[in-house]
Amino acid sequence: GQQLNQSPQSMFIQEGEDVSMNCTSSSIFNTWLWYKQDPGEGPVLLIALYKAGELTSNGRLTAQFGITRKDSFLNISASIPSDVGIYFCAGTRSYNTDKLIFGTGTRLQVFP
Amino acid sequence: DAGVIQSPRHEVTEMGQEVTLRCKPISGHNSLFWYRQTMMRGLELLIYFNNNVPIDDSGMPEDRFSAKMPNASFSTLKIQPSEPRDSAVYFCASSPGLRISNTGELFFGEGSRLTVL
Repeated sequence: GQQLNQSPQSMFIQEGEDVSMNCTSSSIFNTWLWYKQDPGEGPVLLIALYKAGELTSNGRLTAQFGITRKDSFLNISASIPSDVGIYFCAGTRSYNTDKLIFGTGTRLQVFP
Repeated sequence: DAGVIQSPRHEVTEMGQEVTLRCKPISGHNSLFWYRQTMMRGLELLIYFNNNVPIDDSGMPEDRFSAKMPNASFSTLKIQPSEPRDSAVYFCASSPGLRISNTGELFFGEGSRLTVL
């Protein structure tokens, strides 16, 4: 079953607003990744994090790997209509595995 | 460059029929993954291969599901017999290496939407 809990489940915001979403787990994860899924397509990687405390940016996106290794957040600044989609956190429990576990997803809707 | 290619994109079948989903990973990628996505359960890892060898199939729901990777450029996911609860979007993904912490990225196909009536 799912081991990563995302919040909020959905967000409805106006264009230009900042967005913040997070992902938590009761277990330690060694990597955290954030993916975005557009309707009718597969998820696409946005940001990957490999060290506790790591803060990484990709354009208007910023993500952090929590110090406890049990959480991560993703921020989107100055949202635009094409930010619409489902955002998933994902992670691996071990360094010796490709087994990527996905979170429950945050559905983002941006209104002009 | 071609990404991960899945077929069919959509399939509608009747309960009890055999379903075969196909995947061509990105050339040069060593790992291949099959995921299932539903509203209720989200994205679930069914099975993954490394260098054509199944590494972890603990996510395969039951014996009705089977997956093969006969060579580096092709994989199939088969459901026999299919049931309505198998209706979902099935994604294939590939990655360049064994460890996510080294490679950092799964490349997903566009998915195969299966409806079992």
